[in-house]
Amino acid sequence: QVHLQQSGPGLVKPSQTLSLTCAISGDSVSANYVTWDWVRQSPSGGLEWLGRAYYRSRWYSDYAESVKSRIIINPDTSKNQFSLLLSSVTPEDTAVYFCARSYGWRSDYWGQGTLVTVSS
Amino acid sequence: DIVMTQSPNSLGLSLGERATINCKSSQSIFDTSTNENHLTWYQKKPGQPPKVLIYWASTRESGVPDRFRGSGSGTDFTLTISSLQAEDVAVYYCQQSYSSPLTFGGGTKVEIK
Repeated sequence: QVHLQQSGPGLVKPSQTLSLTCAISGDSVSANYVTWDWVRQSPSGGLEWLGRAYYRSRWYSDYAESVKSRIIINPDTSKNQFSLLLSSVTPEDTAVYFCARSYGWRSDYWGQGTLVTVSS
Repeated sequence: DIVMTQSPNSLGLSLGERATINCKSSQSIFDTSTNENHLTWYQKKPGQPPKVLIYWASTRESGVPDRFRGSGSGTDFTLTISSLQAEDVAVYYCQQSYSSPLTFGGGTKVEIK
């Protein structure tokens, strides 16, 4: 059974970097049949896919256009986890952030969600 | 980017009624190499992560009740709940995974009237 455990601060100041980690159990971040994704849900309610990292003989990542200039998703093979770094945050980045495993083109396992508020 | 458009925005129905949610993609999401449509339906309840109901447009995820049915191909897709139950109150999202960036529809809120 796959389990994803999120951690990270719930409050970030404007212009700073949001940093969240997703620890994986029951699978490997280096598995070549899955991707590791971040999704957020804004207070207005919609889901937004932010990006993913995955291993296919080497590491790949791709990101949503809306955050492409500010986002990095980093795998950490030594700790079997992956992280989200979102720089230069504004109040518009306030949202519940989820990590997820995607297999067979759907996200089948999810973290518990982390509410991140951007405020001074 | 592929734009996913859902309709209606919200749906108020009585228990036992049929719910129909539509999702349209701005271009075909049928993959000729796999012969599958890369369309997933998620159910989202407050305080919980999204849950997969249907993937590849019409394949029900393990453990999902058979009152949930997905259909469609190419650019037009439908999620049908054959007989609405109280526990089905949620927001439903479609998502395409045909090409990056992956994109969600705007969501359809299903309520009991």
